[in-house]
Amino acid sequence: NAGVTQTPKFQVLKTGQSMTLQCAQDMNHNSMYWYRQDPGMGLRLIYYSASEGTTDKGEVPNGYNVSRLNKREFSLRLESAAPSQTSVYFCASIHPGQQEAFFGQGTRLTVV
Amino acid sequence: ELKVEQNPLFLSMQEGKNYTIYCNYSTTSDRLYWYRQDPGKSLESLFVLLSNGAVKQEGRLMASLDTKARLSTLHITAAVHDLSATYFCAVEILSGTYKYIFGTGTRLKVLA
Repeated sequence: NAGVTQTPKFQVLKTGQSMTLQCAQDMNHNSMYWYRQDPGMGLRLIYYSASEGTTDKGEVPNGYNVSRLNKREFSLRLESAAPSQTSVYFCASIHPGQQEAFFGQGTRLTVV
Repeated sequence: ELKVEQNPLFLSMQEGKNYTIYCNYSTTSDRLYWYRQDPGKSLESLFVLLSNGAVKQEGRLMASLDTKARLSTLHITAAVHDLSATYFCAVEILSGTYKYIFGTGTRLKVLA
C-alpha cells in the first residue's frame, strides 16, 4: 500500500522553465491538496481538489496551475518558474471520514 | 481570513520536563489536527480532534480542543529526546468546500 506518491523528489529549474509535479494516491480519497513549505512559514495551501473534476485556490495560488486528472492523480504545474517558488512541495490526500491528511514524501524544488 | 497561530515557534527543553504548545485559530471550526515532522521528512498524523472538549493521548503527548476558545493544546509530559521534531496543528474550515489550513509549526528540541 503506497499511500501518497510524489514525483520527482528533487528538481532544479532555471528561471522561466516549466515543470509539473505529480501526485498519486491509492487510498480512494476524494480530497487532495498541494502545499508549499518554507522556513518559518509552516505549510501554505496552494490549491486543493474536493473531488474529481473540481479544483479551488488556496492561500498562495499565483504562479501555479493544477489538474485533477482522475480520482487518483492531482498534478501541480509551474508554467514559468521564479526563484520565489523555491520551496518544498507536499501533496496530501484527505481521509473522507476523519478528514485526517496523508502526505507524500515531498518535492524539494530549487529555482535558480 | 483564517489565521492559525502556534506558540511558541521554537522550544528547547530538558529531558524529563513538561511543556505545552498552543494552537489558536481565528474562525469557527470543530475539527483540529496535530502532525509531527522530522527534519527532511514528511508529516505524519498524531491526533484527530473532532469536537469541543476532545482529548486524545498517545504516550507522552496529549492533545485537547476547546472550540469555544478556538484553542488547542499539545501537552508534553516528561520529554525525551525522541520527541524532538516540528509539530503542526491544522484546522479544517468550511469555505464552499472543506479546506485544511496549517499553523506555522513549533520546532521542539529536547536536550539530553
